[in-house]
Amino acid sequence: GIQVEQSPPDLILQEGANSTLRCNFSDSVNNLQWFHQNPWGQLINLFYIPSGTKQNGRLSATTVATERYSLLYISSSQTTDSGVYFCAVASSGTYKYIFGTGTRLKVLA
Amino acid sequence: DSGVTQTPKHLITATGQRVTLRCSPRSGDLSVYWYQQSLDQGLQFLIQYYNGEERAKGNILERFSAQQFPDLHSELNLSSLELGDSALYFCASSVEGGSQPQHFGDGTRLSIL
Repeated sequence: GIQVEQSPPDLILQEGANSTLRCNFSDSVNNLQWFHQNPWGQLINLFYIPSGTKQNGRLSATTVATERYSLLYISSSQTTDSGVYFCAVASSGTYKYIFGTGTRLKVLA
Repeated sequence: DSGVTQTPKHLITATGQRVTLRCSPRSGDLSVYWYQQSLDQGLQFLIQYYNGEERAKGNILERFSAQQFPDLHSELNLSSLELGDSALYFCASSVEGGSQPQHFGDGTRLSIL
């Protein structure tokens, strides 16, 4: 089945710093989403982005489907950005989302 | 608030027992997904329903079953529970299936003693 790798596994930032999270996948996908799991365990949908670029405030994401990767950019990070960021993909012709192992982000005040 | 409601929030039971987790999707969403999150397995897709019918099945054990009712709420039934079934169970919903963003409930934390 499709493999999803996220990097880095852990990231510590000072408040105000920028960061880039990466998601690599091993096969072509029709669907890709980025999620944030906050310290209380809630999963928040950030982007549905099977291709192209989207922006939402301080967050933006780019997926280059032909090269099988997606990037999540966080600018001017805040302590509330702390948590785990997951990439999830579903390969062509299926609805089975495969989650990466996540990037654990800690933003220090 | 995602609009997806899961009950109960916490559940503590014993090995060998059976439990039912309930999910009400966002208004207007036809598709429901179930996921299991455990420390050793991460987030795993279990099963998806679309408008009452099973659409996709993932790593769901035979001891587990699910259904989506005519009012679109869904239930996940877990039986013959084992210690390893302790996990956070999430329900998500989307307007359709696959090609739409998913919105997650807050999860049900299941603890098996």
